[in-house]
Amino acid sequence: GQQLNQSPQSMFIQEGEDVSMNCTSSSIFNTWLWYKQDPGEGPVLLIALYKAGELTSNGRLTAQFGITRKDSFLNISASIPSDVGIYFCAGLPNAGGTSYGKLTFGQGTILTVHP
Amino acid sequence: DTGVSQDPRHKITKRGQNVTFRCDPISEHNRLYWYRQTLGQGPEFLTYFQNEAQLEKSRLLSDRFSAERPKGSFSTLEIQRTEQGDSAMYLCASSLGQDRAIFGSGTQLSVL
Repeated sequence: GQQLNQSPQSMFIQEGEDVSMNCTSSSIFNTWLWYKQDPGEGPVLLIALYKAGELTSNGRLTAQFGITRKDSFLNISASIPSDVGIYFCAGLPNAGGTSYGKLTFGQGTILTVHP
Repeated sequence: DTGVSQDPRHKITKRGQNVTFRCDPISEHNRLYWYRQTLGQGPEFLTYFQNEAQLEKSRLLSDRFSAERPKGSFSTLEIQRTEQGDSAMYLCASSLGQDRAIFGSGTQLSVL
């Protein structure tokens, strides 16, 4: 089945540093989503990307939809302690229809921010 | 609270017992999804409803699993004859049409 490879698996950074993580796939996705998950909670949507080459920001977060539609990147600038958590990329193979919502998730990037 | 609500938040059961989880989606959302997440992994799709119709089921959903959404509002996920491998976080999400899915806080199942 489809798989998303997310890297790095974990990151340990100092407060104030910038963070970059990425997600790659062997197949094309038409929608890319980035979620953050805190322990014991469900994933919370951070950014959604719908067009190849799209660059979208949400506060200190910036994500890009790769031109090949097989990858996506998430950057966090000036990290703060509350950025700690697990970040997941997720992809949708179709722009609509019954497959919409059937997300394929990456394995996650565990982010630790030292004050 | 207008988010996706899941009950219970935690469930501990003995192997062989049946368990049922409930999900209350955002009220105007017509689509509802169930995912399963094991430790160290991303969520995996289980099944999907549009209104009361179950339109897609993953191969992960064995015969011991059944999901319903009888009136197109809340949904239940039942696991019969639980096994230790069923231990996971069960996540529910909902969306309005093709919009982005919003997740609940999940039900953490531990099978002893």
